[in-house]
Amino acid sequence: GQNIDQPTEMTATEGAIVQINCTYQTSGFNGLFWYQQHAGEAPTFLSYNVLDGLEEKGRFSSFLSRSKGYSYLLLKELQMKDSASYLCAVMDSNYQLIWGAGTKLIIKP
Amino acid sequence: GAVVSQHPSWVICKSGTSVKIECRSLDFQATTMFWYRQFPKQSLMLMATSNEGSKATYEQGVEKDKFLINHASLTLSTLTVTSAHPEDSSFYICSAKAGADYNEQFFGPGTRLTVL
Repeated sequence: GQNIDQPTEMTATEGAIVQINCTYQTSGFNGLFWYQQHAGEAPTFLSYNVLDGLEEKGRFSSFLSRSKGYSYLLLKELQMKDSASYLCAVMDSNYQLIWGAGTKLIIKP
Repeated sequence: GAVVSQHPSWVICKSGTSVKIECRSLDFQATTMFWYRQFPKQSLMLMATSNEGSKATYEQGVEKDKFLINHASLTLSTLTVTSAHPEDSSFYICSAKAGADYNEQFFGPGTRLTVL
């Protein structure tokens, strides 16, 4: 079966750095997405990785290792507004998105 | 970036009535639209995939006679929840893909459905 694993919840301090991991097992691979979702709102796109390596975009970076079935989202200089759920999703061989359950990130002052 | 709208943003209805939710791609043509449902504190659950001009493909466990999907044009898809019951209360989100060459899905803002 297809499976996406990410931690259920993480806590970090304002101004710090946090890394959210995601491991996956899917039938085929056409890229990995990270989305941010605030409570009661729809997901918003953060990043897309299809090749191995690190993609940096401002305070957020995303890393992918296809051989290990592993990705992480790195958030730097955490702000209170970063408190949200972070969803990892993999596009399989049929171009369907397989979603993880999301990681709820709690930022403390 | 590409914009997807949903209407209504929230709706409250009585049990047994039908509710229609619209999903529009405002500045691009969406060859494929997806409908998701999200219960509180849970991840997105794909309900169905619809391609313009053809019948929607429903995920296992989703009743196609209860959740009617119409993708009549390249910019509009509708989801009708027929004979709604309280257990259908959820957050319904649509997303759209611009074409086969684009992997990114653009999400609408979601529709909060409450069935009394």
